Amino acid sequence: TQLLEQSPQFLSIQEGENLTVYCNSSSVFSSLQWYRQEPGEGPVLLVTVVTGGEVKKLKRLTFQFGDARKDSSLHITAAQPGDTGLYLCAGLYNQGGKLIFGQGTELSVKP
Amino acid sequence: GAVVSQHPSRVICKSGTSVKIECRSLDFQATTMFWYRQFPKQSLMLMATSNEGSKATYEQGVEKDKFLINHASLTLSTLTVTSAHPEDSSFYICSARGAPGQLSYGYTFGSGTRLTVV
Repeated sequence: TQLLEQSPQFLSIQEGENLTVYCNSSSVFSSLQWYRQEPGEGPVLLVTVVTGGEVKKLKRLTFQFGDARKDSSLHITAAQPGDTGLYLCAGLYNQGGKLIFGQGTELSVKP
Repeated sequence: GAVVSQHPSRVICKSGTSVKIECRSLDFQATTMFWYRQFPKQSLMLMATSNEGSKATYEQGVEKDKFLINHASLTLSTLTVTSAHPEDSSFYICSARGAPGQLSYGYTFGSGTRLTVV
């Protein structure tokens, strides 16, 4: 069974603070994706990382993929209330092309 | 971009009845569709994977006779919750993927179905 450990599961911070969410596994991914989900809606893709050591930036969001392709992180700089939501990492395993999700991080940014 | 339509968005049914949820790829052919279940404040749990024209592959612990999946065409997959019980109440989400090499090869998610069994 493939497991994807995501932490922290809950995070409540003040506007302007920085934060990092981690995603770890003992298995190697062919790629890893980060999603954001609003209540009552499906997840929306933020980024896909494929190469070990890869770093991608999306405005105030920075995504890293570990060299061994077993872990990833999402860093948000100067968080804003609009960043509030559920952030999910998801690993793609070669077998069957299944996308397996981490537990999710519920982020709340207070003004 | 690729769009997946999921219907209905909300459904309330009586215990013991069956409910069908549809997932359609609107502008691409989905060779593979995935069905997920999500409890409040929790992540998505993969239930099954279906390829067009073949039987679905269910994840461990998912009852195939209870959650019937049909992927009869390249644009439509359905999930039928049979003999629903209150513990089946959840948020069900589908995801569709096109053929390798296509722009739609990424995973596109539907907007989900909130099922409440009373």
